[in-house]
Amino acid sequence: AQSVTQLDSQVPVFEEAPVELRCNYSSSVSVYLFWYVQYPNQGLQLLLKYLSGSTLVKGINGFEAEFNKSQTSFHLRKPSVHISDTAEYFCAVSAISGSARQLTFGSGTQLTVLP
Amino acid sequence: KAGVTQTPRYLIKTRGQQVTLSCSPISGHRSVSWYQQTPGQGLQFLFEYFSETQRNKGNFPGRFSGRQFSNSRSEMNVSTLELGDSALYLCASSLGGQSSYEQYFGPGTRLTVT
Repeated sequence: AQSVTQLDSQVPVFEEAPVELRCNYSSSVSVYLFWYVQYPNQGLQLLLKYLSGSTLVKGINGFEAEFNKSQTSFHLRKPSVHISDTAEYFCAVSAISGSARQLTFGSGTQLTVLP
Repeated sequence: KAGVTQTPRYLIKTRGQQVTLSCSPISGHRSVSWYQQTPGQGLQFLFEYFSETQRNKGNFPGRFSGRQFSNSRSEMNVSTLELGDSALYLCASSLGGQSSYEQYFGPGTRLTVT
């Protein structure tokens, strides 16, 4: 079984400041990792993914994340945030085993960008 | 390509009734998964369908069921609705093959049970 912990439920930050949203996971098998963003009254949009290769992955809207296997972490970063980045962000994992697909999500981090 | 579509977007039902939600995946995607999102429990996996067969199931009671059609469209049904079933129901599609793990989500159906 897998579990995902997002360490901060709310992160307020001023516009143009950097931000880091933290994610730790636990799993008995290897996993792929994802970050999704959810704007109010919308579904989830895939921001970025780590499947293999370089541990630093770049996504849409200027976001990037770094996979750290020893610390079982996958923190999301952006060097300079905009008001439009205000949304809820979810970290998720999918076990690399068998054919079934199931995402296990963290509880989410509400990012609020202040003017 | 068109994204994942879900109908209806909003539903209001009375306790004890049943409801059917529909999901059309991205063209070419053969796997459809359903998730329930509530403020208290967050995002929870309901089930996954691939080639008209349920491939994986989450920890939900039997009142929650689903099916997939030959064109990969999927429906989920909830019978004997309870107040706690009020949630955003999200459908996600993926290619479904051995190397395909990315899931793409629709806008969701907001179900309110009164």
